[in-house]
Amino acid sequence: QSVLTQPPSASGTPGQRVAISCSGSSSNIGTNVVFWYQQLPGTAPKLLISRNNQRPSGVPDRFSGSKSGSSASLAISGLRSEDEADYYCAVWDDSLSNWVFGGGTTLTVL
Amino acid sequence: DVQLVQSGAEVKKPGESLKISCKASGYRLTSYWIGWVRQLPGKGLEWMGMIHPGDSDTRYSPSFQGQVTISHDKSTSTAYLQWRSLRAPDTAMYYCARFCSSGTCNGAFDVWGQGTMVTVSS
Repeated sequence: QSVLTQPPSASGTPGQRVAISCSGSSSNIGTNVVFWYQQLPGTAPKLLISRNNQRPSGVPDRFSGSKSGSSASLAISGLRSEDEADYYCAVWDDSLSNWVFGGGTTLTVL
Repeated sequence: DVQLVQSGAEVKKPGESLKISCKASGYRLTSYWIGWVRQLPGKGLEWMGMIHPGDSDTRYSPSFQGQVTISHDKSTSTAYLQWRSLRAPDTAMYYCARFCSSGTCNGAFDVWGQGTMVTVSS
């Protein structure tokens, strides 16, 4: 199992706000910045949120990230059908000397 | 446009060797680390390792150390991931990704290749 814990699934209706959590420990999220990646079906991952809460150019402001202690969260507001994807958190783990990813959360827009 | 273009899908038998590639364009390969990420069928992402083409510094995940070799060719702006002897559990999608080390993307894999599917089956 993953060092970072994410819920396997999340869902919402169009227009709603959903949040996806990522729980880690003092050796990873508690110490280092968190990144979020979006993987649309059948495609490569794409950087969605950088350094806890920075949106790369082109990422809509409907997406936001936050971090508190050893946990992080991705929020998506104004949910749209094209947001259906897998979402992964990622962080450097000082104890493992490894980049670690969460197990991924599959978002369904009902 | 900054792009990473990976080599095509491979079907191999157990015990065979393989080298897949990741060609960079639109930026200087020697200025950024390139990482490799594995995705087993229906599963999540796993970091395998990364190389800095500027000085050939290479880092491996402990899980993949000794199992694969990461290399590069500066003359063709291409990074490689290599196996000496494939096994069925190596069946997966493999992605290369550029590692950003400055600015607001510092620490992120900010550009990804399209992926190379490797199937190992007898």
